[in-house]
Amino acid sequence: GQQLNQSPQSMFIQEGEDVSMNCTSSSIFNTWLWYKQDPGEGPVLLIALYKAGELTSNGRLTAQFGITRKDSFLNISASIPSDVGIYFCAGQLSDGGSQGNLIFGKGTKLSVKP
Amino acid sequence: KAGVTQTPRYLIKTRGQQVTLSCSPISGHRSVSWYQQTPGQGLQFLFEYFSETQRNKGNFPGRFSGRQFSNSRSEMNVSTLELGDSALYLCASSLEGLEAFFGQGTRLTVV
Repeated sequence: GQQLNQSPQSMFIQEGEDVSMNCTSSSIFNTWLWYKQDPGEGPVLLIALYKAGELTSNGRLTAQFGITRKDSFLNISASIPSDVGIYFCAGQLSDGGSQGNLIFGKGTKLSVKP
Repeated sequence: KAGVTQTPRYLIKTRGQQVTLSCSPISGHRSVSWYQQTPGQGLQFLFEYFSETQRNKGNFPGRFSGRQFSNSRSEMNVSTLELGDSALYLCASSLEGLEAFFGQGTRLTVV
């Protein structure tokens, strides 16, 4: 079956640092979504991408839909403590608009550097 | 606008019992999906309902079932609970399909 490889699995941030994470697959996707999940909460949609090459920002967050349609990247600039949490990517396969066609990555856990 | 509401937030059940979880979507949203989230497997799609019809189904046993009512509210039922069913169950609603808004989830513990 289709799989999404999300990396890194975890990372530590220091306030003010820029952060990058990505999702890759061997499959072609029509849509990429990025979510953030805080402890004890459900995921919150951050950015949605619909076109190959598309670059979209939401405040300090910027996400890109890879030109090959097999990957996506999320960057967080000048990180702050409230950026900690788990970030998920989700890709929609090319055949339909149902939630059932979304594949989720395993998440990137952002923590504060000790 | 109220968000997605899931009840209850926490639940403890015994093996072999059954459980029903409830989800009220955002007003106007017709699509409701259910997910199981565990540390090992991540977010796994259970099923999606759209206008009271199951539109899509994930790879879960028949013990997991759901339904959607005419007001778009949805319920999920798990029968004959197993220890491995312990998880966070998330409901997500959307207007048509993809840009989903999640509830806070129901934390189910099976003992």
